[in-house]
Amino acid sequence: NAGVTQTPKFQVLKTGQSMTLQCAQDMNHNSMYWYRQDPGMGLRLIYYSASEGTTDKGEVPNGYNVSRLNKREFSLRLESAAPSQTSVYFCASMYGTHIYGYTFGSGTRLTVV
Amino acid sequence: AQTVTQSQPEMSVQEAETVTLSCTYDTSESDYYLFWYKQPPSRQMILVIRQEAYKQQNATENRFSVNFQKAAKSFSLKISDSQLGDAAMYFCAYRSKQGGSEKLVFGKGTKLTVNP
Repeated sequence: NAGVTQTPKFQVLKTGQSMTLQCAQDMNHNSMYWYRQDPGMGLRLIYYSASEGTTDKGEVPNGYNVSRLNKREFSLRLESAAPSQTSVYFCASMYGTHIYGYTFGSGTRLTVV
Repeated sequence: AQTVTQSQPEMSVQEAETVTLSCTYDTSESDYYLFWYKQPPSRQMILVIRQEAYKQQNATENRFSVNFQKAAKSFSLKISDSQLGDAAMYFCAYRSKQGGSEKLVFGKGTKLTVNP
């Protein structure tokens, strides 16, 4: 089925470890996004990519890096994980300024101990 | 920068009753999009309803409808004939129509409980 695929679904890291969250969409969408969701905070934008080859910071970019590998894939990297990065991470994509908004992945629950 | 405020962290409703979730937003733009998303315990984000600001008519989708008050910058969601499956977190979101600003700004969410 067409959609946004995120891997992994769950991950536990030790403080200081690194990891990459993977996201891929097969809908030919131009824009892709990474959000984090914390209790009582809603979804906050980490980074986004309006088109292949471009990336921009969102509201909470510190401690993260991203790569828009091609039109389909947009990865999020934690270089040195911290307990404050314990969260649920969502990838989303959208076709230009389409009224239908985002298509979301199913999320990654990350725990940093 | 645009902001979205959901003033009700939690709401509850009896099955088959009607409930309204509040959302206000702040923007200086005249045209934009507004959305309500539902997040059940499965964690999946599901689009419930959307509204274009230039359209005066309130959007409806089956049992879900909105009360869009542009001057008041208010976008509330009404759920009629509430069902147990409506229990979820609900997020209001704003999106600019300006080019290069396609990102969504979310409120902090309202947790809806449906009592049998």
